[in-house]
Amino acid sequence: GAVVSQHPSWVICKSGTSVKIECRSLDFQATTMFWYRQFPKQSLMLMATSNEGSKATYEQGVEKDKFLINHASLTLSTLTVTSAHPEDSSFYICSARDPYRAAIEQYFGPGTRLTVT
Amino acid sequence: TQLLEQSPQFLSIQEGENLTVYCNSSSVFSSLQWYRQEPGEGPVLLVTVVTGGEVKKLKRLTFQFGDARKDSSLHITAAQPGDTGLYLCAGESTDSWGKLQFGAGTQVVVTP
Repeated sequence: GAVVSQHPSWVICKSGTSVKIECRSLDFQATTMFWYRQFPKQSLMLMATSNEGSKATYEQGVEKDKFLINHASLTLSTLTVTSAHPEDSSFYICSARDPYRAAIEQYFGPGTRLTVT
Repeated sequence: TQLLEQSPQFLSIQEGENLTVYCNSSSVFSSLQWYRQEPGEGPVLLVTVVTGGEVKKLKRLTFQFGDARKDSSLHITAAQPGDTGLYLCAGESTDSWGKLQFGAGTQVVVTP
């Protein structure tokens, strides 16, 4: 149980285009999901907190107009990287909490590797 | 921002040896989680500790949460090549539900 999936697992796009990444909780409902970014040889950095039915909360230094987050249902959150640039190339990972299982534990998706050329 | 310092950054040992990874902060956490991450994959949760002084064991892995809930350690006994990976500690602050602050990670390599 507590499985989180991401799609796509990897994507290559041209500079200036937009890319959408999906995060799904497969066997539970997640009112809150989190989006992280991880650069090579570095740890995970929280980008934003995605709340179902409301606006996302962004961490300091993260451009909300560039990284659009939509949490339209209890099992799906999307991250759209708009007008992507090579410096946006990174490993994007989402996580979710199952409030009915163990509220303090987070389960992570497998990640999405984004390469902007 | 609450900083979590992990040490060492890199650890290379022979199969059968023991190792300890440390995670320290000057701030108090309501909970602390340990993850292991393989290249190109998301982190996999190993354990969550909540109570100060708590010790949890997962087969050959022993996790300890400091009495003041500011630090934690991961000890692996008789390491095996399958233990190779990036170990990450992540703390949840007392005033930010769900938001995890990750340490920089410890890359562990166990050679046969």
